Amino acid sequence: GENVEQHPSTLSVQEGDSAVIKCTYSDSASNYFPWYKQELGKGPQLIIDIRSNVGEKKDQRIAVTLNKTAKHFSLHITETQPEDSAVYFCAARNYGGSQGNLIFGKGTKLSVKP
Amino acid sequence: GAGVSQSPSNKVTEKGKDVELRCDPISGHTALYWYRQSLGQGLEFLIYFQGNSAPDKSGLPSDRFSAERTGGSVSTLTIQRTQQEDSAVYLCASSSPKNEQFFGPGTRLTVL
Repeated sequence: GENVEQHPSTLSVQEGDSAVIKCTYSDSASNYFPWYKQELGKGPQLIIDIRSNVGEKKDQRIAVTLNKTAKHFSLHITETQPEDSAVYFCAARNYGGSQGNLIFGKGTKLSVKP
Repeated sequence: GAGVSQSPSNKVTEKGKDVELRCDPISGHTALYWYRQSLGQGLEFLIYFQGNSAPDKSGLPSDRFSAERTGGSVSTLTIQRTQQEDSAVYLCASSSPKNEQFFGPGTRLTVL
């Protein structure tokens, strides 16, 4: 089955700097890659996703890139702000497969220092 | 519109008792998922419902765990004879026709 590795587990940046979180996956059939932001005491919130027919997607200060050959995808946050501080999870799913669930990475705790 | 809701938000129970956790998915979403998140950990898949198909129970950790989805909408996750290792946040998600999964706020279960 699918296995998703995520790193780093913790990341500390200064306000205004960029943050990059990287994930790798094992199942070459996976074709959907969402990113979630989880604030303390809340459920994960979908912030951006990418499907395997594109290589990059951007939404304001966040962007995601996908390299299908290398089986890795990354989240990029530019001009970080203190409110970006949270735990970020990547995930992968094969929509053509028998399993409907997402396989999650173990999360990255991002701290943005003012 | 309303998002995924879960109840209760917190549940404290004694070891050996049964608990029921409820999930109300987003209206119109045909797929519903339960995940478990232990302290400081990622999300562990438990069970998946899609329309009228038989649920995918491959993630349930033991036969003490079961779930139902009535009328294709509300779902209940039941844990029988709770153990201390069952303590976690139980998250429910439903997915849109575009297959985006939206999560509820979770139920924090503490087994004493």
